[in-house]
Amino acid sequence: GDSVTQTEGQVTVSESKSLIINCTYSTTSIAYPNLFWYVRYPGEGLQLLLKVITAGQKGSSRGFEATYNKETTSFHLQKASVQESDSAVYYCALGEITNTGKLTFGDGTVLTVKP
Amino acid sequence: GPKVLQIPSHQIIDMGQMVTLNCDPVSNHLYFYWYKQILGQQMEFLVNFYNGKVMEKSKLFKDQFSVERPDGSYFTLKIQPTALEDSAVYFCASSFAGGAEQFFGPGTRLTVL
Repeated sequence: GDSVTQTEGQVTVSESKSLIINCTYSTTSIAYPNLFWYVRYPGEGLQLLLKVITAGQKGSSRGFEATYNKETTSFHLQKASVQESDSAVYYCALGEITNTGKLTFGDGTVLTVKP
Repeated sequence: GPKVLQIPSHQIIDMGQMVTLNCDPVSNHLYFYWYKQILGQQMEFLVNFYNGKVMEKSKLFKDQFSVERPDGSYFTLKIQPTALEDSAVYFCASSFAGGAEQFFGPGTRLTVL
């Protein structure tokens, strides 16, 4: 089956510093999957941050970027300069390119940005 | 942006009882999903639903589980009877198409005693 691994359960970064949250994936599908980053801000529901459906492409949103790397099966999330408002839980997810829309999630990474 | 609502936000019931979790999806969406997250674990896919039918379900979707969306009303997850291991947060999601962005509700925390 499919799986997604986020190695960091919690990350603490000072405001204006750079951030990287690691994500690797595994799939038994012969087709390259779609890759997503979702975010849950305090008190809110899960929402899509960015999505990349083509291997080798980069997605970006709200200053965050992630590149779909099929060689290393990775989709790391990066931001050059974080803000306190970025404090949230970030989930990497994989979706097979079927019509069902099923998503496989990582464990999530709690990001705390210190002022 | 579009919002998915879930009712109730918390539910506490005794083992063996029936429970129905309600989801009010985004109004023009056609695909509906349930995910389950046990405390401290990953959020896991349970089932998806389109055109009145279950399209795919995981091994977590036991025989005691059922879903329906009668006449465009709430999309519901029913568990009958409940077991202790059903205690979790259940998230509903909806999307316009099968591979499109899913919009998630805030979750229903179910506690089975």
